[in-house]
Amino acid sequence: EVQLAESGGALVQPGGSLRLSCAASGFTFSNHWMHWVRQVPGKGLVWVSRINSDGSTTTYADSVKGRFTISRDNAKNTLFLQMNSLRAEDTALYYCTSTNAVAGYWYFDLWGRGTLVTVSS
Amino acid sequence: DIQMTQSPSSLSASVGDRVTITCRASQSISSYLNWYQQEPGKAPKLLIYAASSLQSGVPSRFTGSGSGTDFTLTISSLQPEDFVTYYCQQSYSIPRTFGQGTKVEIK
Repeated sequence: EVQLAESGGALVQPGGSLRLSCAASGFTFSNHWMHWVRQVPGKGLVWVSRINSDGSTTTYADSVKGRFTISRDNAKNTLFLQMNSLRAEDTALYYCTSTNAVAGYWYFDLWGRGTLVTVSS
Repeated sequence: DIQMTQSPSSLSASVGDRVTITCRASQSISSYLNWYQQEPGKAPKLLIYAASSLQSGVPSRFTGSGSGTDFTLTISSLQPEDFVTYYCQQSYSIPRTFGQGTKVEIK
């Protein structure tokens, strides 16, 4: 079955750190750019970060730049998001998503179920 | 950053109705526009990519149109499972940005 499964979400204090994982299965993970998207429960979707297929290129939203690091292990079909200096406003459900493209038009074609990060004292 | 604005934020309709959701980009994005559907408590699901291409497995009652800055998602005949939230998203540039969502409710 083609799927993504996030893990690692937890309750953490402001200023703390957390590492999210996303296990991919059923498709050739190493061929796909991967992204993290977050959503405050009841609110909209916000893009967080992306990484290219071999892990050599990464991009971040301004709100997380310098605090979050995206990485991947293609041998283990796993995507990561290292989150440092966490703030209350980072509280959200974090989704990993794979991308595909047709004729250069990119889209998020597969999503995990999300993992909840709560930043609170 | 490209701002995506959806309208309306919510709408009430009945089963069998035809509904249209609009998405406007703050600058031209050609056809780099995707639509997603999200059920409560679930991950988003891709409906339409490249403004008008139907994702495999998505019912044909969903159609997308538009280019440049103005786009629409039309549901030709609402089914009970369609009363959920819809998001547009641009893939023209980084950061990827989403509309604020349109919740379709039962009248």
